[in-house]
Amino acid sequence: EPEVTQTPSHQVTQMGQEVILRCVPISNHLYFYWYRQILGQKVEFLVSFYNNEISEKSEIFDDQFSVERPDGSNFTLKIRSTKLEDSAMYFCASREVSEQYFGPGTRLTVT
Amino acid sequence: GDSVTQMEGPVTLSEEAFLTINCTYTATGYPSLFWYVQYPGEGLQLLLKATKADDKGSNKGFEATYRKETTSFHLEKGSVQVSDSAVYFCALIRNTGGFKTIFGAGTRLFVKA
Repeated sequence: EPEVTQTPSHQVTQMGQEVILRCVPISNHLYFYWYRQILGQKVEFLVSFYNNEISEKSEIFDDQFSVERPDGSNFTLKIRSTKLEDSAMYFCASREVSEQYFGPGTRLTVT
Repeated sequence: GDSVTQMEGPVTLSEEAFLTINCTYTATGYPSLFWYVQYPGEGLQLLLKATKADDKGSNKGFEATYRKETTSFHLEKGSVQVSDSAVYFCALIRNTGGFKTIFGAGTRLFVKA
């Protein structure tokens, strides 16, 4: 069964550094998403992406965040200058019709 | 805006007990409703879904019925197992616009042997 994959599974970075989280959505899906889950809290929507542009973003998704689909398979989330409060699990998802399929997540730890 | 409210946890049950986790939603139109399960240290797994009123989603002994009149989607299981210990998230997708998923806060379930 096709699945969404994410790399790395765990990333540790120092405050102020840039990180890129990578996702490979399911191949025939056209809609892509990033969500964030701070430890022990709810899963929050960050951004949706369709046709090579952002279709919706939350207030969390400020200027330090960006997304890109650099080639036909990857979908990336970049955090330019990480803060301690960016420590969280980041989930990628992709969608064909209505249901979203979630990846296993990348745990980001900012020290 | 759209929102999902689910009962606070943790919920602690003995093995073979009956489980109910309440979930209500606020949304315009007719959203699709979902339950996700997250085992310790893992990602989100879709447990079940319902896309229209009166639909019943079911999987692995879990069930939930889409009740439009009460805007609810309560999760039930007749006999829980220790392996069901996890966090359960109720969620909705409004079927217009960007189709983002809106999650409830999650309910942690502990099942004792």
